[in-house]
Amino acid sequence: QQQVKQSPQSLIVQKGGISIINCAYENTAFDYFPWYQQFPGKGPALLIAIRPDVSEKKEGRFTISFNKSAKQFSLHIMDSQPGDSATYFCAATVRDDKIIFGKGTRLHILP
Amino acid sequence: GAGVSQTPSNKVTEKGKYVELRCDPISGHTALYWYRQSLGQGPEFLIYFQGTGAADDSGLPNDRFFAVRPEGSVSTLKIQRTERGDSAVYLCASSLTHPGTQYFGPGTRLLVL
Repeated sequence: QQQVKQSPQSLIVQKGGISIINCAYENTAFDYFPWYQQFPGKGPALLIAIRPDVSEKKEGRFTISFNKSAKQFSLHIMDSQPGDSATYFCAATVRDDKIIFGKGTRLHILP
Repeated sequence: GAGVSQTPSNKVTEKGKYVELRCDPISGHTALYWYRQSLGQGPEFLIYFQGTGAADDSGLPNDRFFAVRPEGSVSTLKIQRTERGDSAVYLCASSLTHPGTQYFGPGTRLLVL
């Protein structure tokens, strides 16, 4: 059973556009929702994270929107740049314990 | 740099062989995690150590997989009688405390022929 479902699998966005990646979860015990960015040949790196007591968190061009009732959350990348091209993983944890990752979204920003 | 390092970066072995994968965590980090990332998938948790002891090994797929961290720093993931299905990138992460932000290494890409 996949605990964190992520879509789309791949995404192509024009430079300057908005990239949107969506995730859904089932386990209501999850209390921490991080997003990771992974470049080829590298390990995942924490990008931004949110707890379910807030509906939105913004850090620079990256925003997480969180809908607790729908058990969904999304990552928005504003003014997308070619350097943002990477694989993005949503994830969830219970009390910051082991991380449950989604399957990932391969994002490509066209120059 | 001062990040998590993993060796070797690539490992090719034959079915049935034994392999060891090494992880050097960030200095001072007490918690260490192992994940496995299959092609096109997100990382999957295998085991985590708090200090020298395995605090949670619920992600190890079977008894062919074993990990140690004898001095509370470097960890070794050991795979016996490797199978082709073990081919994946094995990621190590460490955090200052548990729970805490996990910092990942670049991984070891294992290919079992």
